[in-house]
Amino acid sequence: GAGVSQSPSNKVTEKGKDVELRCDPISGHTALYWYRQSLGQGLEFLIYFQGNSAPDKSGLPSDRFSAERTGGSVSTLTIQRTQQEDSAVYLCASSLGGTVNQPQHFGDGTRLSIL
Amino acid sequence: GQQLNQSPQSMFIQEGEDVSMNCTSSSIFNTWLWYKQDPGEGPVLLIALYKAGELTSNGRLTAQFGITRKDSFLNISASIPSDVGIYFCAGHALSGAGSYQLTFGKGTKLSVIP
Repeated sequence: GAGVSQSPSNKVTEKGKDVELRCDPISGHTALYWYRQSLGQGLEFLIYFQGNSAPDKSGLPSDRFSAERTGGSVSTLTIQRTQQEDSAVYLCASSLGGTVNQPQHFGDGTRLSIL
Repeated sequence: GQQLNQSPQSMFIQEGEDVSMNCTSSSIFNTWLWYKQDPGEGPVLLIALYKAGELTSNGRLTAQFGITRKDSFLNISASIPSDVGIYFCAGHALSGAGSYQLTFGKGTKLSVIP
C-alpha cells in the first residue's frame, strides 16, 4: 500500500561512522516526525517538520543528530560520529497536517546497530 | 518533561479472556491514542480519542479518554491469538512553537495462550 516507507530496514555500522536514514511519507501528508525506540521502551520524539515552517528540533539528543526534509516530502535523518548508545529503532511517522485530530501513521522503522 | 505511566508492563491471558490496560499522566493531554506494535513493524493506530470522557470502540477494542484528561484505558474483549503484541498509549499536548509531538508510554506486552 501507500504507507510510510523507510530505508534501510536494517543498518549495522562501526562506532564513529556517519549514517543516513530515509523516510518517504504518505503522499499528501504535510507533517513528518522522527522518533527513536530503544529496546523495550516506548517511542522518544526527535524532530517534527510541518510544511515550510522551521522544524521543531527539541527532541534531538545531541548536535550529532540532524534532519532535513527536501521539497516537503522525503526526509533524511543523519547521525554523525555514531556511538553505541545510538543503537535503536528509528521510526518515521507522517500525518495529514500538524493538528491534534490528524493521527500519525508510522513506517516500519530502521533498526540501527552500532558495533 | 511529560511522562506517561502505562500498566501493566506485561500480561499473560487465556484465549477468550478480556484484557484491560491503562495509562496515567501527571499533566493534561489534549488527545489520547492507542497503538499496537508487532515485532519488526511500526506502531499501528487502533483508537484515537479527542474529548474528555469520550468512549470509543473499534471492534473488540474499547478505549476511554479520562474525564480529568490525565488518563485513558484500553479494553480488549474475547482475546484471540492475533491480539499478541505490544500496546502503547500515547498523548498529544501542544508544545513549544506549535508542534504536536506524541509522548508514549513504555508499552504493555500482551501474550495470549491458546
